[in-house]
Parts: sequence; C-alpha cells; structure tokens
Amino acid sequence: SQQGEEDPQALSIQEGENATMNCSYKTSINNLQWYRQNSGRGLVHLILIRSNEREKHSGRLRVTLDTSKKSSSLLITASRAADTASYFCATDGSDGNKLVFGAGTILRVKS
Amino acid sequence: KAGVTQTPRYLIKTRGQQVTLSCSPISGHRSVSWYQQTPGQGLQFLFEYFSETQRNKGNFPGRFSGRQFSNSRSEMNVSTLELGDSALYLCASSSLIGVGETQYFGPGTRLLVL
Repeated sequence: SQQGEEDPQALSIQEGENATMNCSYKTSINNLQWYRQNSGRGLVHLILIRSNEREKHSGRLRVTLDTSKKSSSLLITASRAADTASYFCATDGSDGNKLVFGAGTILRVKS
Repeated sequence: KAGVTQTPRYLIKTRGQQVTLSCSPISGHRSVSWYQQTPGQGLQFLFEYFSETQRNKGNFPGRFSGRQFSNSRSEMNVSTLELGDSALYLCASSSLIGVGETQYFGPGTRLLVL
C-alpha cells in the first residue's frame, strides 16, 4: 500500500519556471525523502527532511514539511529540460529502512 | 565510490520458471533493501537485509525470497514466476541502520515474464 500521495499526477511547464509538487501521507514519520527517476531507471535521492525540520534547501530544491497536516512539498526553481522525470516522496515505515513511496508526479519541462 | 550495481539488467523468463537477481551495495553499506516497481502498484517494498539478517519484510508471497552474504551483497529469488511478476526490481543500500535513512538505488533489473 502507498502512504504518500503526490499531487499533481503530472505537471508540464516551460524551462525557467518553477515546479511545485505536493505529497501527503497518513501516519507519523521519522523522515520524509524525495527521489527522482528518469525513464524507468533507478531512483536518485534528492533530499531527506526529518520530522523535526520544517524546511530544507539543496541547490535549486526546496522542501517543506508540515507534520500537523502530514504533507510535504518539493519546489524546483528555474527548471531545466534535464529536470524532466518522475518525482516520488517516500516515508519511513515503522522500523528499519523500509520506505513507503507515493505514486509519483511526472514532471515535463519543455525547452 | 562505485554506486549500487545490479545484475542482470534485463531478463526474460517464462511462467513457472524461477529467477535470481543480484545486488552489490555501495562499499561499506551493510543495509540492502529490495523494491518492486510496476505501473499498477508503483514502488513496493520487498525486504531489507542487514548483516545477513532479514530486518523487514513487505507484503509479498513466499515465492519472493532473499538473502545477504557476509560481504553485504544480496540476492533475491522469485520462484514459480507469474505474469504479474513482470516489473523493475530495484535494490538500494544504506550506510545507516536507523529508521527511514537515505537509500541509494541501483539501476534496477527489468524482468519480463512471458
């Protein structure tokens, strides 16, 4: 079963625009992570935010976490064609390194 | 450091056969997890191994099994293959043994069951 649900399912923007993806989850978490996947390949880790953090930045990425609403958002600023990919949020399970992934957002950046 | 490697990259099998997939984690990583990705079910956790012990298991039938060796390399086996087992199988490794730590994924093995 999937805990994280991303919104929107698909997003198409022009190069240079910002892209925002949202993720909602159901149970309490320790960490929330965002991953990128290009064309059915392996997942690339983008950023991890812990439950006691509210915002985190990494280059052009900005992630926010609202544990009271059980939601997170990923903002990609000044998007590039190379950002075209599927983006997944993942939350931890009750123990171990098990990750529960959302359905993902397909981002298309047009040049 | 070399990343997570998975072999083979592509595999075609027929129903009823069995298959073994291999994963070599990043050097020094002792936690290895496996995930199945299908268009219908998305990414689903199969199991996690740490120090040769299964630490966590997802909701998959007993046909799916795995193991980890002393050098942290891991294999997963699927017996009596079904058409629905066609998927991208992803392996991930982690250097930390906490809860929900960063996972580093391999390129995956794409399995097609005919």
